[in-house]
Amino acid sequence: KAGVTQTPRYLIKTRGQQVTLSCSPISGHRSVSWYQQTPGQGLQFLFEYFSETQRNKGNFPGRFSGRQFSNSRSEMNVSTLELGDSALYLCASSLELAGPGEDTQYFGPGTRLTVL
Amino acid sequence: AQKVTQAQTEISVVEKEDVTLDCVYETRDTTYYLFWYKQPPSGELVFLIRRNSFDEQNEISGRYSWNFQKSTSSFNFTITASQVVDSAVYFCALSEANNNAGNMLTFGGGTRLMVKP
Repeated sequence: KAGVTQTPRYLIKTRGQQVTLSCSPISGHRSVSWYQQTPGQGLQFLFEYFSETQRNKGNFPGRFSGRQFSNSRSEMNVSTLELGDSALYLCASSLELAGPGEDTQYFGPGTRLTVL
Repeated sequence: AQKVTQAQTEISVVEKEDVTLDCVYETRDTTYYLFWYKQPPSGELVFLIRRNSFDEQNEISGRYSWNFQKSTSSFNFTITASQVVDSAVYFCALSEANNNAGNMLTFGGGTRLMVKP
C-alpha cells in the first residue's frame, strides 16, 4: 500500500506570496493532520481534518488554513508568507478504526518551504 | 494541557553501545497513547511504536525496547548494540483520546542520536 504522499517536496517563495501544499493520505485513511517543524519551535500541530471537517486546530494565525476533499486528500494554504513560515510541513494520516486520538499517525516525506 | 519532555538534546555513542532515550510526559487524561518516531536526515517521520495508557508491559522488538512507567510518567526507549544506521532524531509523542480533540500529537523536542563507527 502506498504511503502518505506530499507535493511539492520543495518550494521557494517570497514574503507576501501565498502557497498551497498538498497531501494524499494512505488509501482508506480518513483523518489527515498537518504539522510544522522548525529548528526553534520543533514539531507543532497545525490542524486536523476528518470527513472534510476541521476537527482540531493548533495555535497558528488565520493565515494558515486547510481543507479536505471527499477522497480524503487535503491541502493547506498559507497566505501572506512571512520569513518565519520557512519550515518543513509534514502531513500525517490515520485510519481511525477506534476513536480520535487512538490511532497511529503515519507521516509523509514533508514539504520544505523556504520564504525569502 | 499535555506536554512531552525529552531532556536529552543530543547523544553520541560508539557503535555496539547500548543507549537509552528518555521521555517524560504530562496529561490529565486517563486514556492516552504514547508514540516513538524516528526522523532520519531525509526528514520523514517513521513510526516505531504505540502504547496505550492501560498497557504498562515493556516491549521488545529486535534491538529496540520500550519501558513504560505510569508511576513516573515516563516512556523510555532503549537501543541495544547500536548501529550507525540508528543515527537519527528520535521523537516521543502523546495523543489524548478525548473525543472533542480529534487527532493531535504533542511532540517532545527530540533527541539527536549519533552513532559513530
